[in-house]
Amino acid sequence: AQSVTQLGSHVSVSEGALVLLRCNYSSSVPPYLFWYVQYPNQGLQLLLKYTSAATLVKGINGFEAEFKKSETSFHLTKPSAHMSDAAEYFCAVRPTGTASKLTFGTGTRLQVTL
Amino acid sequence: NAGVTQTPKFQVLKTGQSMTLQCAQDMNHNSMYWYRQDPGMGLRLIYYSASEGTTDKGEVPNGYNVSRLNKREFSLRLESAAPSQTSVYFCASIRQGLAGELFFGEGSRLTVL
Repeated sequence: AQSVTQLGSHVSVSEGALVLLRCNYSSSVPPYLFWYVQYPNQGLQLLLKYTSAATLVKGINGFEAEFKKSETSFHLTKPSAHMSDAAEYFCAVRPTGTASKLTFGTGTRLQVTL
Repeated sequence: NAGVTQTPKFQVLKTGQSMTLQCAQDMNHNSMYWYRQDPGMGLRLIYYSASEGTTDKGEVPNGYNVSRLNKREFSLRLESAAPSQTSVYFCASIRQGLAGELFFGEGSRLTVL
């Protein structure tokens, strides 16, 4: 069975500051890992995904995430926050070898202040 | 392309009423999913359909039924709605390949009084 833990349900940063959203996973087999973003009253859209190629993955809107097997982590970062980054972010995991059973974390709401 | 389309976007029901949420995708995806989103709980899988003609239970299937009508459409039915089913429901489909990501609809907000 797989699971995802997102540390911090709410994160607040100043505009221009570093964004760090934490995600730790548990999976019995090597996983695929995803970060999704949800803007208010919208569905989720993919930011980036890890599929066992490069451990540092670059996504849309300047976000990136690094897969660290030893730490079972897939933290999301952005060097400089923008007001438009305010949203809810979800980490998700799926074991390789199956197209089903995508498991989501509980989400982190990012607030960006002036 | 429309992507994943859900109807209705909003619905208010009384306890015990029934309703069906409709979902259609135009991306020729094989697998489709229904999730519910509740504050502080993330997204939880209700049912999924790996391919046309098959459906399987997810994490929270009780109180729901699904129908994979054809490759494009996957509906979710509440036979006797309960206040605990007040939630935002999302339909999603998955791009081909095991590393494919989910494409989501915009959600259906359901309130059960």
